[in-house]
Amino acid sequence: KAGVTQTPRYLIKTRGQQVTLSCSPISGHRSVSWYQQTPGQGLQFLFEYFSETQRNKGNFPGRFSGRQFSNSRSEMNVSTLELGDSALYLCASSMEVHEQFFGPGTRLTVL
Amino acid sequence: AQSVTQLGSHVSVSEGALVLLRCNYSSSVPPYLFWYVQYPNQGLQLLLKYTSAATLVKGINGFEAEFKKSETSFHLTKPSAHMSDAAEYFCAVSDQGRSQGNLIFGKGTKLSVKP
Repeated sequence: KAGVTQTPRYLIKTRGQQVTLSCSPISGHRSVSWYQQTPGQGLQFLFEYFSETQRNKGNFPGRFSGRQFSNSRSEMNVSTLELGDSALYLCASSMEVHEQFFGPGTRLTVL
Repeated sequence: AQSVTQLGSHVSVSEGALVLLRCNYSSSVPPYLFWYVQYPNQGLQLLLKYTSAATLVKGINGFEAEFKKSETSFHLTKPSAHMSDAAEYFCAVSDQGRSQGNLIFGKGTKLSVKP
């Protein structure tokens, strides 16, 4: 069974630009969650989607948004990038209650 | 609000020695608790989880953790460290009553294993 895939694996952007990250969950998983990982703040929950609906949201500004498609694939978008948005963005999918499977992440660098 | 505290950002052990990584949680409701491992340039891999069944939980790669409600702890142990155990370990908590997407993570403990 294929794991969670995230594309692209690495991204370099400049301040003010916007970026879209993609996540394909494990087949059959309907819940997709996104996390931001930085050396300073650690792992922080961004949002969760279930059956195309945002079910839960973390404490991030509105520049961070996401969506989920009917095939459970998810995208997250960050607009007006800031230097502090440089991070590893992790996607996780789940089917069983509270057991999440993580992808390899997308490393975003903002210059 | 839920929170997780991992004592020690870095732990160093010798190969073959006991591994003990500490995790204390704060939760006003019965929690689900997890340990994840992260190798360099990779995502998180679930080691084990506590979901209110047995208090002693066995995971992959010889790791286990014991849920102690009186101490609000969920420490991770392994009897004998291998070089391949060198990685960063994260303890996480989620609220049984809420949706499954909201894991709260500790700051992580980087484990080094000396030959």
